[in-house]
Amino acid sequence: EDKVVQSPLSLVVHEGDTVTLNCSYEVTNFRSLLWYKQEKKAPTFLFMLTSSGIEKKSGRLSSILDKKELFSILNITATQTGDSAIYLCAGRLNAGGTSYGKLTFGQGTILTVHP
Amino acid sequence: KAGVTQTPRYLIKTRGQQVTLSCSPISGHRSVSWYQQTPGQGLQFLFEYFSETQRNKGNFPGRFSGRQFSNSRSEMNVSTLELGDSALYLCASSGLATDTQYFGPGTRLTVL
Repeated sequence: EDKVVQSPLSLVVHEGDTVTLNCSYEVTNFRSLLWYKQEKKAPTFLFMLTSSGIEKKSGRLSSILDKKELFSILNITATQTGDSAIYLCAGRLNAGGTSYGKLTFGQGTILTVHP
Repeated sequence: KAGVTQTPRYLIKTRGQQVTLSCSPISGHRSVSWYQQTPGQGLQFLFEYFSETQRNKGNFPGRFSGRQFSNSRSEMNVSTLELGDSALYLCASSGLATDTQYFGPGTRLTVL
C-alpha cells in the first residue's frame, strides 16, 4: 500500500530560525511529490517535484527530491510567525487508471513559529 | 481566475440523515477530487471525477457517492450519516496534464 511519512510531526521554533521538514514515501510507480501549506482551511499549493536533485524555490521556501532514497525535504529559512501552519506532502503514483486524481498524503508537520 | 469554491462551508446534521456537498472547480479544470480530513486519519482520498465520469475511488463505504455535471461542478453525497463522518470535506481541481491539485476552503460537517 502506498505510504507517505512526514517528520517531525510537530516543530516549535523562534522567528529567524531555519527549519527542515522531511517526507519519505513508499509509492509504487512514483510520478510526483507535492508540498502544501494548510493554515486554517484549504491546503495551498507550494511545490511539485518530479525530478531528482532539482531544487524548487519560492522566496524563503525551497524543496528538493531524492528519487533514489525516496524522500523530499522542505526548507524554510528566516522563519516568520506567518509560517505557522501544517505542512503536508503528498505522493502521486503513475499506475494508469488507478492513479487518477489521487494524492496520498502524509500526516503533516505542525510548525509553530514564536516571535 | 477564481479559485475552487465549496458550499456550504458548515453543516450540522444528525445521525441517519443524508447530506450533499457542492464543489465548483477552477474555470477550465475538468478533474475534481474529494478528500476527507480528520485529526486521526489526516487527508484521505474519496473519489475523483473527470468529464462526468468517476475515474478513481478510495476506500470508503458505499454511503459516500458523488457525481459531476457537464460544467465540471461536482457534488458529494453521504447517506445515513454516522458520528464518524464528522470531518472537513475538501475538494480539489486540476487541469489537464498536471498533477497539481488546487483545494477549496472545505465544508466542515458535524454529525450529532
